[in-house]
Amino acid sequence: AQSVTQLDSQVPVFEEAPVELRCNYSSSVSVYLFWYVQYPNQGLQLLLKYLSGSTLVKGINGFEAEFNKSQTSFHLRKPSVHISDTAEYFCAVAFGNEKLTFGTGTRLTIIP
Amino acid sequence: EAQVTQNPRYLITVTGKKLTVTCSQNMNHEYMSWYRQDPGLGLRQIYYSMNVEVTDKGDVPEGYKVSRKEKRNFPLILESPSPNQTSLYFCASSFYTGGGYTFGSGTRLTVV
Repeated sequence: AQSVTQLDSQVPVFEEAPVELRCNYSSSVSVYLFWYVQYPNQGLQLLLKYLSGSTLVKGINGFEAEFNKSQTSFHLRKPSVHISDTAEYFCAVAFGNEKLTFGTGTRLTIIP
Repeated sequence: EAQVTQNPRYLITVTGKKLTVTCSQNMNHEYMSWYRQDPGLGLRQIYYSMNVEVTDKGDVPEGYKVSRKEKRNFPLILESPSPNQTSLYFCASSFYTGGGYTFGSGTRLTVV
């Protein structure tokens, strides 16, 4: 069965510390991988995506993610977080067609 | 400005009273989709459309209808809303597989 798992529902991090938000998926077909961010009371904004090629992809706001095919993971990282990064982050996977499946989200809280 | 427009932003209705949430995109996208967002469940796909007159069920289609008579519009219809359809709804569109969806601002629906 095709699925997307975000292992952490909440992640508290001190300001200027690094962060990693984890995402794993299960699929028997080729996939496209995405990370979206949702700021409070707003819609979703695309952070970055992996379609093919280099497994390390860079996105907006200093975020990057690495595709690991053997571990079926697509973890999101940022070397130094800011208060403005407080938001909910969603991993999403397109399995074959355009059916985009989302994980349950990780709420990132930055501690001053 | 390229965008996905949903209306209304907020809606309170009573059980059984038919309603329609409109969605329109001005990017000539072929793919459109509806999601509902509930706490702890992330975003779940209700219906999606790969082109005009082509629609398919997502993960939670029960109680919803859609139509795609024009490329730009993809309304979501609740024929007989029930309290368990109280949720935050997002419409999204994409030009091609892997493009990443552009999301609307959301519609917060309350059914009493």
